[in-house]
Amino acid sequence: QSQLQESGPGLVKPSETLSLACSVSDGSITSNSYYWAWIRQPPGKGLEYIGSMYYSGSTYYNPSLKSRVTISVDTSKRQFSLRLSSVTAADTAVYYCARLYSYGYPRYFDYWGQGTLVTVSS
Amino acid sequence: QSVLTQPPSVSGAPGQRVTISCTGSSSNIGATYDVHWYQQLPGTAPRLLIFDNNNRPSGVPDRFFGSKSGTSASLAITGLQAEDEADYYCQSYDSSLSGSVFGGGTKLTVL
Repeated sequence: QSQLQESGPGLVKPSETLSLACSVSDGSITSNSYYWAWIRQPPGKGLEYIGSMYYSGSTYYNPSLKSRVTISVDTSKRQFSLRLSSVTAADTAVYYCARLYSYGYPRYFDYWGQGTLVTVSS
Repeated sequence: QSVLTQPPSVSGAPGQRVTISCTGSSSNIGATYDVHWYQQLPGTAPRLLIFDNNNRPSGVPDRFFGSKSGTSASLAITGLQAEDEADYYCQSYDSSLSGSVFGGGTKLTVL
């Protein structure tokens, strides 16, 4: 059973870059069955899929965030990361990392981290 | 505006049956991509509730049932319990976006 855990600053200044990491407990980070994903949830709102990365290096980014997002995977550390540049108050949210099961196409998020609140404020 | 449309809220009394709809289009649910459901209890991370339209992960009670037809899907909860009070989200894959999409979420209130 895979466990995921987010880490990173809880407060980021406007115009700076938000950086988060997600640690994966098992070796599934090298499996060809999964993408490694980031999802966020602004306070009181719904889920927004930010993007994901496959172990091979291919990525998907939400078109609304694509110009500001970078997701990377470090299999040696069993970690994947999110960088979101030029943040504003609208980027304040709980950020979740998740494992995205893929068979034929990316299907469902089967394991989630507990989430970490990131506030954008000066 | 979410790609998948869900009602903002539903409610039911303990023991009753409720359904939550999820309406998509020809580039996602209607294109035969599977639908998945998540339950988010207050203050917690979402958890996978139903995958591939009507399959329950281990540990999910059989009171939760998913179905799909055409460009829509539904989540039915029978024998409603107070502990079912949560937000529910549907999710699928969209070929025009080449990525996963969520519904806007439905808040279930147990009266």
